[in-house]
Amino acid sequence: AQSVTQPDIHITVSEGASLELRCNYSYGATPYLFWYVQSPGQGLQLLLKYFSGDTLVQGIKGFEAEFKRSQSSFNLRKPSVHWSDAAEYFCAVGPRSNDYKLSFGAGTTVTVRA
Amino acid sequence: SAVISQKPSRDICQRGTSLTIQCQVDSQVTMMFWYRQQPGQSLTLIATANQGSEATYESGFVIDKFPISRPNLTFSTLTVSNMSPEDSSIYLCSGRGLGDTEAFFGQGTRLTVV
Repeated sequence: AQSVTQPDIHITVSEGASLELRCNYSYGATPYLFWYVQSPGQGLQLLLKYFSGDTLVQGIKGFEAEFKRSQSSFNLRKPSVHWSDAAEYFCAVGPRSNDYKLSFGAGTTVTVRA
Repeated sequence: SAVISQKPSRDICQRGTSLTIQCQVDSQVTMMFWYRQQPGQSLTLIATANQGSEATYESGFVIDKFPISRPNLTFSTLTVSNMSPEDSSIYLCSGRGLGDTEAFFGQGTRLTVV
């Protein structure tokens, strides 16, 4: 069965500090991998995605993520967090087919302190 | 990417009534998806709606409770029927065009049933 695990429910980070959000998945084959961000009262915005090729992918807002096949992980990172990064972050996986049903992790809430 | 306008953004409803949520996409999309996000939880897929065919429901969701319409390639509705407080959630629609590798989301509808 497919599953997505985000081990950290809540992370608090100081503005300017680095941030890493963990994501592990269980899937039959290497899926498509995504990170979405949900700001309070908003829908989901795609930060970045991995399909193939370079395992380090760059996204919007200064985020990057690294796919590690051996660890079934797709961790999200940002070198220097801004107060506007306070939001909920979701890791998602989807099949490499036209089925395209995404499975989401439980989410990680990021709080940024001044 | 396309933009989805979802409405209403929020509503408070009496138990036993029904609410219809609308999603309008600014371009044609092949597949639309409806998700539920219960308080403090991740997103759970309710159903997939393709134009010209019946919606496909995930386990635990039935058409009588969540009827969906998909009259054309830019519009879909989800009705939450005979509501109870347990239906209080955020409902999100999502779309994906043919050949696209990512999904985009509406802003969500925050439903409170009293």
